[in-house]
Amino acid sequence: GAGVSQSPSNKVTEKGKDVELRCDPISGHTALYWYRQRLGQGLEFLIYFQGNSAPDKSGLPSDRFSAERTGESVSTLTIQRTQQEDSAVYLCASSLTGRVGADGYTFGSGTRLTVV
Amino acid sequence: ILNVEQSPQSLHVQEGDSTNFTCSFPSSNFYALHWYRWETAKSPEALFVMTLNGDEKKKGRISATLNTKEGYSYLYIKGSQPEDSATYLCALYSNYQLIWGAGTKLIIKP
Repeated sequence: GAGVSQSPSNKVTEKGKDVELRCDPISGHTALYWYRQRLGQGLEFLIYFQGNSAPDKSGLPSDRFSAERTGESVSTLTIQRTQQEDSAVYLCASSLTGRVGADGYTFGSGTRLTVV
Repeated sequence: ILNVEQSPQSLHVQEGDSTNFTCSFPSSNFYALHWYRWETAKSPEALFVMTLNGDEKKKGRISATLNTKEGYSYLYIKGSQPEDSATYLCALYSNYQLIWGAGTKLIIKP
């Protein structure tokens, strides 16, 4: 597609429920990243996918968070048993290749998650 | 732990004035430095990706320079306009990831 697409754009969920966020990267981009931004804070790295390699999960804050990506296409970020501190804007980005750093990231418009 | 620092944290500039701000990073094992503009209620937008010492890149009224030996990059905005109000982020590429600075929040006063 022309850009990185994320859905839903907004999600309000009750504490303890599971949520699934979706990211559709730019076609042909092999690298995909998930970040979150909590209120008043900067970008927090969550997970990185590069092609068919094992993902870098070093930024996931707890085992309630998981993410999958099928090949070089859609990715889903799942948060189980949501807590209020999970409230944030979740941003997805893709780049042509993540291996040399010379490609800019294209970000999606984000999913604003509110846990009540 | 790599640290990318940006200064100032925030900046108020009169419309029409020019301004600049700084990104500092460790100079060893340099690969690339990115600049992004992040407007409120939008997502970050790539401005520049810089890879060579001495590089200077320009996009309209915005330009950036890079000094990899001393570990800094400057972003310049000439003749600031209200639409330039945003947070400007720099990020250092390291180990297949971007290490992000905390940003400089630029507010243009009409």
